[in-house]
Amino acid sequence: QKEVEQDPGPLSVPEGAIVSLNCTYSNSAFQYFMWYRQYSRKGPELLMYTYSSGNKEDGRFTAQVDKSSKYISLFIRDSQPSDSATYLCATSAGGYSTLTFGKGTMLLVSP
Amino acid sequence: DADVTQTPRNRITKTGKRIMLECSQTKGHDRMYWYRQDPGLGLQLIYYSFDVKDINKGEISDGYSVSRQAQAKFSLSLESAIPNQTALYFCAIGTGQVNEQFFGPGTRLTVL
Repeated sequence: QKEVEQDPGPLSVPEGAIVSLNCTYSNSAFQYFMWYRQYSRKGPELLMYTYSSGNKEDGRFTAQVDKSSKYISLFIRDSQPSDSATYLCATSAGGYSTLTFGKGTMLLVSP
Repeated sequence: DADVTQTPRNRITKTGKRIMLECSQTKGHDRMYWYRQDPGLGLQLIYYSFDVKDINKGEISDGYSVSRQAQAKFSLSLESAIPNQTALYFCAIGTGQVNEQFFGPGTRLTVL
């Protein structure tokens, strides 16, 4: 079992929909949980991160972590065609430990 | 200017050739990483470095080597390229307690 599991999609939604992207992880040592967005033929860009359990909101994006179930979520409200990209979750124990990435979920938002 | 630059952006080479991919940063971060990305496999860590004198193997280091020539420069070499090393290669820099990583634009490598 990979340490971080993520459904590859694609996930297709109409513009304006609420999108839910999810990952599960297995290592209890992970303390930091990140979401990256990657457009086609571009490098991943960090969207946001959370520490331990809880929610974090940034504009239309909300990241949620449930450490008891080892479940990570990213919600996108009022999705836009420009949100069409691959979303990667990543986890780490912090500091100089390496990141462990999920394989990414491709999101397609149609006008 | 971009925080992380990679050269070349695209490269086509033949089996058995030696290839070097270069990465440089302008942020002064100590942590630098090389990843490869294949369709369906996600990002896999090849090598990483915390300092000029510190080099660490990642999960898929076989067939690759690296050099941290300076705090700002981290190069990845394929001593004898093979077709299954065809992939998208990313350099990243890391910082802070969270180890937020920031990626370069990538190098698309094709080995024929």
